[in-house]
Amino acid sequence: GAVVSQHPSWVICKSGTSVKIECRSLDFQATTMFWYRQFPKQSLMLMATSNEGSKATYEQGVEKDKFLINHASLTLSTLTVTSAHPEDSSFYICSAPILLAGRVGQSDTQYFGPGTRLTVL
Amino acid sequence: SQKIEQNSEALNIQEGKTATLTCNYTNYSPAYLQWYRQDPGRGPVFLLLIRENEKEKRKERLKVTFDTTLKQSLFHITASQPADSATYLCALSPANQAGTALIFGKGTTLSVSS
Repeated sequence: GAVVSQHPSWVICKSGTSVKIECRSLDFQATTMFWYRQFPKQSLMLMATSNEGSKATYEQGVEKDKFLINHASLTLSTLTVTSAHPEDSSFYICSAPILLAGRVGQSDTQYFGPGTRLTVL
Repeated sequence: SQKIEQNSEALNIQEGKTATLTCNYTNYSPAYLQWYRQDPGRGPVFLLLIRENEKEKRKERLKVTFDTTLKQSLFHITASQPADSATYLCALSPANQAGTALIFGKGTTLSVSS
């Protein structure tokens, strides 16, 4: 089945530094990828939609200058957390949709990466 | 306001019993609804998708129902096993459009004891 990978799986950094997280679709092309953030015992919250070849779309309240997204190819999207602070510590997960054909319209499922645990000291 | 709620934060059952998890939504009219499994420290894994014109969907020991009148989906695991212990998330696409982002409930953490 479709596989999405993320690298690194965990990272610890000092406050003020930048961290880059990679999300790759391994056996399919993804023109769209999604970045989510999950705090402990909370649901996944959508941060942004990454679009290949164009600018990302950010959800309300997510700073685009702080969370830089680059979708340079059909299999790779990167999220860079710039000037990280302890409050940015979280579990970051990417996903890519796979279309499912149905009798009534199209729908999709999403394949998620394994997540990246970011800890900012 | 729009909400997707999973009423139970945690559910504890004995091995062999049927686990039933509930997902309710308000102010959405989803064309389809999905269920995912998430293990600690891992990304969600897709389990089942059910469309609005389907009352029920089955996959091995899993069964999902979708009642658009009640605005509710039920997720059942029959003959539960300790390996089924995980957090189960329901999700829907607010845009009702394939390829768009999903909105997730907070999840129900299922614990199956032997």
